[in-house]
Order: sequence, then C-alpha cells, then structure tokens
Amino acid sequence: DAGITQSPRHKVTETGTPVTLRCHQTENHRYMYWYRQDPGHGLRLIHYSYGVKDTDKGEVSDGYSVSRSKTEDFLLTLESATSSQTSVYFCAISSLGVSVNTGELFFGEGSRLTVL
Amino acid sequence: DQQVKQNSPSLSVQEGRISILNCDYTNSMFDYFLWYKKYPAEGPTFLISISSIKDKNEDGRFTVFLNKSAKHLSLHIVPSQPGDSAVYFCAASANTGNQFYFGTGTSLTVIP
Repeated sequence: DAGITQSPRHKVTETGTPVTLRCHQTENHRYMYWYRQDPGHGLRLIHYSYGVKDTDKGEVSDGYSVSRSKTEDFLLTLESATSSQTSVYFCAISSLGVSVNTGELFFGEGSRLTVL
Repeated sequence: DQQVKQNSPSLSVQEGRISILNCDYTNSMFDYFLWYKKYPAEGPTFLISISSIKDKNEDGRFTVFLNKSAKHLSLHIVPSQPGDSAVYFCAASANTGNQFYFGTGTSLTVIP
C-alpha cells in the first residue's frame, strides 16, 4: 500500500471557522491531489500539486486553498467553512501524473468533515 | 457538467454470475480510463485501466472493454464473489491534462 496519511480522519466544526486537512506521503511522489466525495457527484477534484509550491485548481476549487511547502505534505484549507463543504475528503498521490497514460492514483483513507 | 457518467447507481448479482458495470464519457479527448473499487470507510483502490489504443484489457476476473465510437466502457467481473461488493468508480483522463475525471459510482452487491 502507498504510504499516505490523512489527518484528521474525522472533524466536526462550525460554520465560519477555518479548517486545515493534512496529507502526508512517504512515497516521494511528485503529484498530489485533493478530492471530495459526495452522494450523486462521485469524486471531484478540488486542487492538485505537480511539485513543491506548484499547484493548480480543479473542478470545485471555490472556497478552498492549498499549499505544498515540502514534497511529502499537501495541505487543504477551508478559510471559512460552510455547510456545503460537509463531505469526505480524499488525498491522492501519483508518481507520473495523468499526462502520461500509465499513471494511477493512490488514495488515502479519507477525512470526514462535518460543518454545522 | 459531468464528463464521465455512470447511469446505474446500484447493481445486484448472484454469486458466480457476471457483473457488468457501465460508464459513458462525453469528452473525445479522453484517452486513458481506469476503474476504482471502494469499500466503506476506505479510500478507492485501483482495479484496472485501459488506454484508448486498446479495446480490451483483462486482469484475472476483471475485464474492461472500451468502445471509442460510442464513448462507452464497461467492467466485467466473472465470476462475481461476495467480496466484490463495493462501489465502483470509472475515471478518465486526457493526455493533454493533469486531471482524472470520475463518474458518480455504481454500488455492486453480490448475493451469496
């Protein structure tokens, strides 16, 4: 199994509070991704990173920011959480990225966030 | 707009029979496709993939078929086992991009 750790695994917070989710990898993979999973929507990409300090937006990036100061860590921040951000968040890593047609994603176990 | 669609939210099959999960896509630039399996409270795990230069890829009990003209792919599981009960996601990417686009998932139940 790929070495991916997400923290916290569960969090309950109130509307308007900031939240940071952390993804830590031990694989030294270049690409890291944050997805959210919601019923009826599947997995949707929030942001991704293709290197230290190199990030880009995904399909549903509004209300989220990310940072990657080290290869092994990719942080997802909700500056002011809203109830619509209640979801399960998955971090994923890839050695090749998807621009080379043999890349696959390895997922973490997920972080369940509830915004009251 | 959903670029990858799985129109069947759920599927039930008897143990030992074939399970067929379907996926449609709209973006003609997609050229690499994957299937992921997800158990409750776990992250998705990679199952099988196919490049657009092929129309079939097989790995043990799992076979993925790609019909590029119809923009359709399917996952066949033969024979189905109770341990196959999970949510299955298809995903697609384009060589020019850095994103995988996922479908909404199909929940498979294999009845012993």
